[in-house]
Amino acid sequence: DTGVSQDPRHKITKRGQNVTFRCDPISEHNRLYWYRQTLGQGPEFLTYFQNEAQLEKSRLLSDRFSAERPKGSFSTLEIQRTEQGDSAMYLCASSPSGSGETQYFGPGTRLLVL
Amino acid sequence: KNQVEQSPQSLIILEGKNCTLQCNYTVSPFSNLRWYKQDTGRGPVSLTIMTFSENTKSNGRYTATLDADTKQSSLHITASQLSDSASYICVVSPIRSNYQLIWGAGTKLIIKP
Repeated sequence: DTGVSQDPRHKITKRGQNVTFRCDPISEHNRLYWYRQTLGQGPEFLTYFQNEAQLEKSRLLSDRFSAERPKGSFSTLEIQRTEQGDSAMYLCASSPSGSGETQYFGPGTRLLVL
Repeated sequence: KNQVEQSPQSLIILEGKNCTLQCNYTVSPFSNLRWYKQDTGRGPVSLTIMTFSENTKSNGRYTATLDADTKQSSLHITASQLSDSASYICVVSPIRSNYQLIWGAGTKLIIKP
């Protein structure tokens, strides 16, 4: 399968714990995006990488959130000291460079913070 | 403020019937408008993409239209199937950014047998 993959698909954690999600983009795509989606809403942009460089971070990405893409391939999103409000679906997408390129989404990681 | 608003919020139709979903946007100028389909618990999948100069784009039973003057787009689904049950999200790319997308909240479509 050459699509975007995410791991884990589901995560249940207790408030205050740290969690880390992984995204493997389509191999030839050099752009990678993280989004958060809550029930009944469209995805909200969190951050964007061009190769290994993190070029944009949303104001939604508080200092408890950090994302990396060390070798320009897979990416990780870490949430420290989780809060109940962090419960959401975390989506990763990738695209080729260029204006207007379609973003291809992974299946998402659903996080539940108890 | 850039916004994308969709209607209706949810829609239930019988299998085999047609339906039309609406999208109004204020994002201007924009480079393209997309419709995504999102199955429950899955990531969105692109259905159509139109530049600001295009009026219509088809993908099988899905036909999207765009009126840049009135800032409206619609997604028409013909001869609906049970597998069409999903959320349909309208997404606009502002011309000032070649990667950031402005997402609508989606229309949840349920097809009943």
